[in-house]
Amino acid sequence: AQSVTQLGSHVSVSEGALVLLRCNYSSSVPPYLFWYVQYPNQGLQLLLKYTTGATLVKGINGFEAEFKKSETSFHLTKPSAHMSDAAEYFCAVSDRSGGSNYKLTFGKGTLLTVNP
Amino acid sequence: DTEVTQTPKHLVMGMTNKKSLKCEQHMGHRAMYWYKQKAKKPPELMFVYSYEKLSINESVPSRFSPECPNSSLLNLHLHALQPEDSALYLCASSQEGTLNTGELFFGEGSRLTVL
Repeated sequence: AQSVTQLGSHVSVSEGALVLLRCNYSSSVPPYLFWYVQYPNQGLQLLLKYTTGATLVKGINGFEAEFKKSETSFHLTKPSAHMSDAAEYFCAVSDRSGGSNYKLTFGKGTLLTVNP
Repeated sequence: DTEVTQTPKHLVMGMTNKKSLKCEQHMGHRAMYWYKQKAKKPPELMFVYSYEKLSINESVPSRFSPECPNSSLLNLHLHALQPEDSALYLCASSQEGTLNTGELFFGEGSRLTVL
């Protein structure tokens, strides 16, 4: 069974500071990994994903994440936080061994607040 | 702009009402999903349709009844709901077959309040 652990349900940073949101996963097979962002009263928007190839993945809004198989991690970073980055962030894993339907397993989410 | 459109955005209903949530996508995706999301929680999978057939039902109570009339449309019929069913209901779609990486495309959700 897959699982996703997001360390820290709430992360607070100052505007311009580094953003680091942590995600560790467990999966019996090489996974597909995702970060989604959810702004208040909205749906989930894909930030970035890892499927195959380069382990450093760049996404929208200046975010990037690195897949580290040895650490079973997929941490999300952004060099300089902006006020508009304040949102809930979900890490998710999808098991390639599934059939034609994938059941994404989500982490519990990390609320990012950005202070002026 | 999201390519998955959900209506209505907000719905208030009594416990004896019958209402429906609607979802539409025009990305050619053949898998569509309903998720339920409570405040400060991750989305919880309810149903999956694959090629217009129900393929996953996560033991959802029968007061929720999904329907997939065609490859672009997904409905969720609601009847005799309870106040604890109040939540954000999210529709999503994805590729099928070898193109499927598990990436979901979400709508903006329908905020349901049951009085």
